[in-house]
Amino acid sequence: GAVVSQHPSWVICKSGTSVKIECRSLDFQATTMFWYRQFPKQSLMLMATSNEGSKATYEQGVEKDKFLINHASLTLSTLTVTSAHPEDSSFYICSATNRGLSGNTIYFGEGSWLTVV
Amino acid sequence: GEDVEQSLFLSVREGDSSVINCTYTDSSSTYLYWYKQEPGAGLQLLTYIFSNMDMKQDQRLTVLLNKKDKHLSLRIADTQTGDSAIYFCAENSSGTYKYIFGTGTRLKVLA
Repeated sequence: GAVVSQHPSWVICKSGTSVKIECRSLDFQATTMFWYRQFPKQSLMLMATSNEGSKATYEQGVEKDKFLINHASLTLSTLTVTSAHPEDSSFYICSATNRGLSGNTIYFGEGSWLTVV
Repeated sequence: GEDVEQSLFLSVREGDSSVINCTYTDSSSTYLYWYKQEPGAGLQLLTYIFSNMDMKQDQRLTVLLNKKDKHLSLRIADTQTGDSAIYFCAENSSGTYKYIFGTGTRLKVLA
């Protein structure tokens, strides 16, 4: 199946700093990428949808100035958590899709653990 | 709004069959999916079913869809310890890639 890779897998940052997480589609061109947040033992919460070359669409309640999303190419999207605080600590997962893929399917990255201290 | 619900826990003995259930509310759902998540990892697509199908089988996995009752199930035959994970069902509608995920079912396989 299609491969989506995230980097870094783990990151610890100090409160008040910014941290960037990358999401890459390795073997297909991702016209659309998604960013999810998952708290421990909970389901995935969609944060935003990004289409290559355009601004991301954020879900209600997600601060777009805090969670900056860039989808500059068909294989890369980045999520930057700005001025991170301990409550931003979470598991962030990206996913990607291309309309050419069968079954309206999206493929997920391995996830990135963010710990803000 | 759309809602997808699952039972939180399931425990089975190795070699038995596991059945994980999911109910959804969106009648316009076009595709329904099952994903597996191992601890600290991303989601792995196991299988999906189109809404005009009743059943799909893929090796040890059998998906049953009752569209009238909006009920989806995943049966894992001959469950192994490596199947221990969280299983999420998800649905989306044609023309959109917005997935609605269930709460996840934590499957524990006892040796």
